[in-house]
Amino acid sequence: GENVEQHPSTLSVQEGDSAVIKCTYSDSASNYFPWYKQELGKGPQLIIDIRSNVGEKKDQRIAVTLNKTAKHFSLHITETQPEDSAVYFCAACKVNKFYFGSGTKLNVKP
Amino acid sequence: NAGVTQTPKFQVLKTGQSMTLQCAQDMNHEYMSWYRQDPGMGLRLIHYSVGAGITDQGEVPNGYNVSRSTTEDFPLRLLSAAPSQTSVYFCASSPTSGSHNEQFFGPGTRLTVL
Repeated sequence: GENVEQHPSTLSVQEGDSAVIKCTYSDSASNYFPWYKQELGKGPQLIIDIRSNVGEKKDQRIAVTLNKTAKHFSLHITETQPEDSAVYFCAACKVNKFYFGSGTKLNVKP
Repeated sequence: NAGVTQTPKFQVLKTGQSMTLQCAQDMNHEYMSWYRQDPGMGLRLIHYSVGAGITDQGEVPNGYNVSRSTTEDFPLRLLSAAPSQTSVYFCASSPTSGSHNEQFFGPGTRLTVL
């Protein structure tokens, strides 16, 4: 199978600071790496994704980097805002199967 | 579009009872999947389907059955519920099978097995 590890489990930052969440995966066959945001009582929602043939992708305040050699990928949120507070999940996908990390609870303090 | 809908929102079962969690999508998506979410463990794939009539096992399939008779519906059946199946269940869909596709998640069903 695939083993996805995510760190940290909780992260508290001051509004305006940056937040970084890191994930590692074990199977080099994984080729798609999405990040999801989950608000309390709701289903996860895709915020950004990256394919294995790309090293970095950015969408406004959110960016993702991928290091295939080291098998790790990271989510970067700049200029954090209170509405960024949520649980974030990374995932690795191979052949129709998605494997999720255990989640990071991000708290942005006003 | 309603997107991905799940019913019921909440359910309490006794050990040994059976039930079906319903999932439907109105986006004509090929790929549908079921996950369970337990505290501190993220989401784990139970079963998935790449199209009508085709299903396959995920990471934690034991104790669950699925079928996909139409493109729109992907029900999850618990034949004999156990306390270990207490969890929040999410259904998801994406336009096509394979990687590189955004998954759209439903709002979830919170299941408690006593």
